[in-house]
Amino acid sequence: AQTVTQSQPEMSVQEAETVTLSCTYDTSESDYYLFWYKQPPSRQMILVIRQEAYKQQNATENRFSVNFQKAAKSFSLKISDSQLGDAAMYFCAYNSGGGADGLTFGKGTHLIIQP
Amino acid sequence: DAGITQSPRHKVTETGTPVTLRCHQTENHRYMYWYRQDPGHGLRLIHYSYGVKDTDKGEVSDGYSVSRSKTEDFLLTLESATSSQTSVYFCAISESRDGYTGELFFGEGSRLTVL
Repeated sequence: AQTVTQSQPEMSVQEAETVTLSCTYDTSESDYYLFWYKQPPSRQMILVIRQEAYKQQNATENRFSVNFQKAAKSFSLKISDSQLGDAAMYFCAYNSGGGADGLTFGKGTHLIIQP
Repeated sequence: DAGITQSPRHKVTETGTPVTLRCHQTENHRYMYWYRQDPGHGLRLIHYSYGVKDTDKGEVSDGYSVSRSKTEDFLLTLESATSSQTSVYFCAISESRDGYTGELFFGEGSRLTVL
């Protein structure tokens, strides 16, 4: 079974600075998808960014980017110019690619933004 | 907006009583999922469905059953609720019309408290 590990239960960053959230995963598959979801206090699950394993290029969405290291099975999220609205739980998730069995999530990282 | 509605959004019940949570979608998606979220555990898959009357177990299926008699509704039932089933329950769907991306779209969650 696939596992997803987020080793940082909580991170804190000053507003306008950059922070990196770590994620590692374990799989024997060669084709899969990786995701970062954000969950603010409203509890809504919001997709931040997605990466297809077959793509060499790291995904980027505005201030959010990933560092995808396939051989190392690492998928970190970098948030640049942190804003107060970025404060949330962040979940890393894995999907085996084409399967109907949903996402496997890490336990989450609570991100605190210091004003 | 993926058109996902969960009901009830909040429920308090007593140990031993049956509980049914409903997930309703308006977009005719094939795949539907039930997750539970607990502090320190992230989101864990309970059951999922890949079509009408087609369901399968997830990671934490003990004590839960599901039914999907029509495409738009996916029901999660706790036959005899226990305090360990106090949690926030999320329904999710996976879009499949424009090619599989692995991304899940989530409902707003249902908070269940079992006393």
